[in-house]
Amino acid sequence: KAGVTQTPRYLIKTRGQQVTLSCSPISGHRSVSWYQQTPGQGLQFLFEYFSETQRNKGNFPGRFSGRQFSNSRSEMNVSTLELGDSALYLCASSLDFRVSDTQYFGPGTRLTVL
Amino acid sequence: EDQVTQSPEALRLQEGESSSLNCSYTVSGLRGLFWYRQDPGKGPEFLFTLYSAGEEKEKERLKATLTKKESFLHITAPKPEDSATYLCAVQAGNAGGTSYGKLTFGQGTILTVHP
Repeated sequence: KAGVTQTPRYLIKTRGQQVTLSCSPISGHRSVSWYQQTPGQGLQFLFEYFSETQRNKGNFPGRFSGRQFSNSRSEMNVSTLELGDSALYLCASSLDFRVSDTQYFGPGTRLTVL
Repeated sequence: EDQVTQSPEALRLQEGESSSLNCSYTVSGLRGLFWYRQDPGKGPEFLFTLYSAGEEKEKERLKATLTKKESFLHITAPKPEDSATYLCAVQAGNAGGTSYGKLTFGQGTILTVHP
């Protein structure tokens, strides 16, 4: 069974630009969560989607947004990039919470903001 | 607010030298505690899920245990390929939906196993 895939794997952007990251969950998984990982703050929860609805959101500014499509694939968008947005962005998928909460992570997208 | 503290921050072992990693947590009703392994530049790899105090799970040289306040990851006779960062995370019980999909992570323990 294929794992979680994320594209692109690496991105270099400049301040003020916007970026869109993509995540394809494990087949059959309906929940997708996004995390930001930095050396200083570790892994921090951004938001979670289930059946195209955002059910939960972390403490990030409104520049961070996301969506989920009917096939469970998800995208996250960061607008007006800042230097501090440089991080590894991780996507994780899980089955319906009524079955299992275990999240399986993708390889991440490394975003560098110059 | 949910909190997870892992200790030690870094651990250096000789091959074959068994040890334990600690994960202390504070959460409003534990829904699950998760252990992951992360290699440099990669996403976390799932190891174990624990749901209730007294539960234990094993996989090869790793054994995870859970109490009401902490979890331990025991590594028996480690090998150099066990070198990685080990992450502990908790998910709170569903309180009005605020726990959906949200894992709260510790800062991790960097394990180095020397041959």
